[in-house]
Amino acid sequence: AQSVTQLGSHVSVSEGALVLLRCNYSSSVPPYLFWYVQYPNQGLQLLLKYTTGATLVKGINGFEAEFKKSETSFHLTKPSAHMSDAAEYFCAAWGYSTLTFGKGTMLLVSP
Amino acid sequence: EAGVAQSPRYKIIEKRQSVAFWCNPISGHATLYWYQQILGQGPKLLIQFQNNGVVDDSQLPKDRFSAERLKGVDSTLKIQPAKLEDSAVYLCASSSLSGPGETEAFFGQGTRLTVV
Repeated sequence: AQSVTQLGSHVSVSEGALVLLRCNYSSSVPPYLFWYVQYPNQGLQLLLKYTTGATLVKGINGFEAEFKKSETSFHLTKPSAHMSDAAEYFCAAWGYSTLTFGKGTMLLVSP
Repeated sequence: EAGVAQSPRYKIIEKRQSVAFWCNPISGHATLYWYQQILGQGPKLLIQFQNNGVVDDSQLPKDRFSAERLKGVDSTLKIQPAKLEDSAVYLCASSSLSGPGETEAFFGQGTRLTVV
């Protein structure tokens, strides 16, 4: 069975500061990895995904994530936070025919 | 391209009542997923269909939950009887192939269920 761990249920940053949301996965087989964003009362929107190839993946809204097999990590970053980035972010892993989500990290952005 | 449609958006029922949710996936998408998202937790897969066949329902509480996708298009998820712990957002998603590694899983806006 695979699992996804997101460190920190809440992360607070100031507008313009670096955003770093952490995700680690546990799987005997390197999975496909995803980051989704969820705005209040909305469904999940795909930010970016890693399947094969380049380990640094760029997504929408200036986000990117790096797959590090040795660390079993897939952390999400953005150089400069914007107020509109405030939302909940979910890391997910696809493996064994199932898409497994982490518990989510709420990103709070202050002016 | 129309997205994944779900209805209703909100539902409040009393415990022991029954409820049904409906999902219309993106046209042509063979795979359909139902997820349960309890407040403060990530979505949990309840059931996955490939066309009208069940691929994975290992986490579906089959004593009270049922789902069907008779014609390989729309799907309904039913809870009977509902319990307080079923209060959650129920998300439907679809993808064009057998796994989101080959493509993207698109999510609907969800149905927020409150059981009182």
